[in-house]
Amino acid sequence: QQQVKQSPQSLIVQKGGISIINCAYENTAFDYFPWYQQFPGKGPALLIAIRPDVSEKKEGRFTISFNKSAKQFSLHIMDSQPGDSATYFCAARSYNQGGKLIFGQGTELSVKP
Amino acid sequence: DVKVTQSSRYLVKRTGEKVFLECVQDMDHENMFWYRQDPGLGLRLIYFSYDVKMKEKGDIPEGYSVSREKKERFSLILESASTNQTSMYLCASSLGGGLQREQFFGPGTRLTVL
Repeated sequence: QQQVKQSPQSLIVQKGGISIINCAYENTAFDYFPWYQQFPGKGPALLIAIRPDVSEKKEGRFTISFNKSAKQFSLHIMDSQPGDSATYFCAARSYNQGGKLIFGQGTELSVKP
Repeated sequence: DVKVTQSSRYLVKRTGEKVFLECVQDMDHENMFWYRQDPGLGLRLIYFSYDVKMKEKGDIPEGYSVSREKKERFSLILESASTNQTSMYLCASSLGGGLQREQFFGPGTRLTVL
């Protein structure tokens, strides 16, 4: 049972374009939604995170949009660069499960020069 | 910088062997986690620990056990390795407190069971 569903599985974007990755969840107890970025040969690293009391969070070229009523959130990468090519994971955490995260399936992003 | 290290980057074992994967973190984190990463399935939690000698089952604990004798070290044990345990294994750690604590990951161990 996948509690966090992520799409697409892979994405190819031209340099300068916008990359959009979507996630949907079912558990209304989730209270924290991080995105992790993983480069080949490395472990995932926190990229940006949002709480459900805000609808958008922006850090540089990366923006999370959050729709609580639809139980969906998405990552937007503006002006995508070849250096953004990586695998991206959305995740969610329930307030009553301590530090445990539930991850999405991952999206492999390739930004073409 | 937080550092999470894993004992091996690549490991090849035979079916039926007992396998130990070691993880060490240097930031005095209370929480430690073991995940396996498979294409199309994302990261799935095997076991986690909130404190020394404490362990909790994750989503896919079958065929695995863990040990946490010291705060900085968390070991994943495959009692009798099977080919379906061929995967990338990732260790992570985070501060305790149950709040929105960032998890820091190690580089992973790619295990192949023949």
